[in-house]
Amino acid sequence: GEDVEQSLFLSVREGDSSVINCTYTDSSSTYLYWYKQEPGAGLQLLTYIFSNMDMKQDQRLTVLLNKKDKHLSLRIADTQTGDSAIYFCAESEFSGGYNKLIFGAGTRLAVHP
Amino acid sequence: DGGITQSPKYLFRKEGQNVTLSCEQNLNHDAMYWYRQDPGQGLRLIYYSQIVNDFQKGDIAEGYSVSREKKESFPLTVTSAQKNPTAFYLCASSPRQGDGELFFGEGSRLTVL
Repeated sequence: GEDVEQSLFLSVREGDSSVINCTYTDSSSTYLYWYKQEPGAGLQLLTYIFSNMDMKQDQRLTVLLNKKDKHLSLRIADTQTGDSAIYFCAESEFSGGYNKLIFGAGTRLAVHP
Repeated sequence: DGGITQSPKYLFRKEGQNVTLSCEQNLNHDAMYWYRQDPGQGLRLIYYSQIVNDFQKGDIAEGYSVSREKKESFPLTVTSAQKNPTAFYLCASSPRQGDGELFFGEGSRLTVL
């Protein structure tokens, strides 16, 4: 089946930029997504990118997509303690007659002073 | 406020017992989903429902059952046949099945003693 891979941990200093990386396998994915999960809570959609785009910027967030290498990254500028969370990359896959999201294992971002 | 409510937040169960997790949404969404989250792994789809009175197995449906008698409600039963039930369970909804933006509840943590 399809697979989405992420590194499990990232630690950054407050005020620095964070870059979370993801690789995926389904080249037919129309959209790729970043979700955020705060401690003890459900996931929340942070941003997404259409597969024919290379970059998308939304305030402090920048998403870069390298379709050739099937590599997606999320850059958070001026990282704050409130950004500490788990970040999930997800791709859409059409399988068994329905569209579903395939999630990576999540990258735990720790922001320290 | 519109959203998804899961209950209970924490649940303890003895081996051999069935347990039902509640999921209610007032977003008027057609599609609802149940995911399981284990440490270091991505979310895995248990069951999904595209519309009332319809549901389909996801990737790890064995040992689980669901019903969708009302649009707002999609309860999940973890049966005694589920070999490894201790996990964090997340319910989600979307306007239609296949939408990439899922709206998640805050989760239910089940521990089997």
